[in-house]
Amino acid sequence: GENVEQHPSTLSVQEGDSAVIKCTYSDSASNYFPWYKQELGKRPQLIIDIRSNVGEKKDQRIAVTLNKTAKHFSLHITETQPEDSAVYFCAAAGFQKLVFGTGTRLLVSP
Amino acid sequence: DGGITQSPKYLFRKEGQNVTLSCEQNLNHDAMYWYRQDPGQGLRLIYYSQIVNDFQKGDIAEGYSVSREKKESFPLTVTSAQKNPTAFYLCASSTWDGMNTEAFFGQGTRLTVV
Repeated sequence: GENVEQHPSTLSVQEGDSAVIKCTYSDSASNYFPWYKQELGKRPQLIIDIRSNVGEKKDQRIAVTLNKTAKHFSLHITETQPEDSAVYFCAAAGFQKLVFGTGTRLLVSP
Repeated sequence: DGGITQSPKYLFRKEGQNVTLSCEQNLNHDAMYWYRQDPGQGLRLIYYSQIVNDFQKGDIAEGYSVSREKKESFPLTVTSAQKNPTAFYLCASSTWDGMNTEAFFGQGTRLTVV
């Protein structure tokens, strides 16, 4: 079955710096890679996703890259702000089976 | 108002008791999921269902059971066989249009064994 590994588990940056979170997956049949943000006490919410036929996708300060050959994908946040502080989860999905990584706690200090 | 609703928000269970967590969605989604969230371990898949009357085990199904009698509902039963049930449980749903799509989460149920 699918296994998703996520690194780092914690990430501390200064406001304005960039943050990068990396994930690897094991099942070559996976074709959908979403990223979720979970603020304290709240439900996870989608921030960006990418499909296997695309190598990169951007949405304002957030970008995701996908390397199908190496089976890894990354989340890039530029110009970080204190409100970006949260836990971020990557995930990989094949036919409707959605498997998550272990999460990265991002702390952005003013 | 469309969405996915979990109830109750907090649940206390005595050791040896079974307990059922509710998950209802009015988004007309085909797929539904149950995840368990523990600190530092992310979201671990318990069960998922792609269509009515069918479901598959996830990575940590032991001690849990589910049913999918209606498209809108996917209840999770935590049985007495689950040795460490205290956790935060999240239900999610998504649709299928020939490709995987965004999963929407409920607000979660925090289960505590007392």
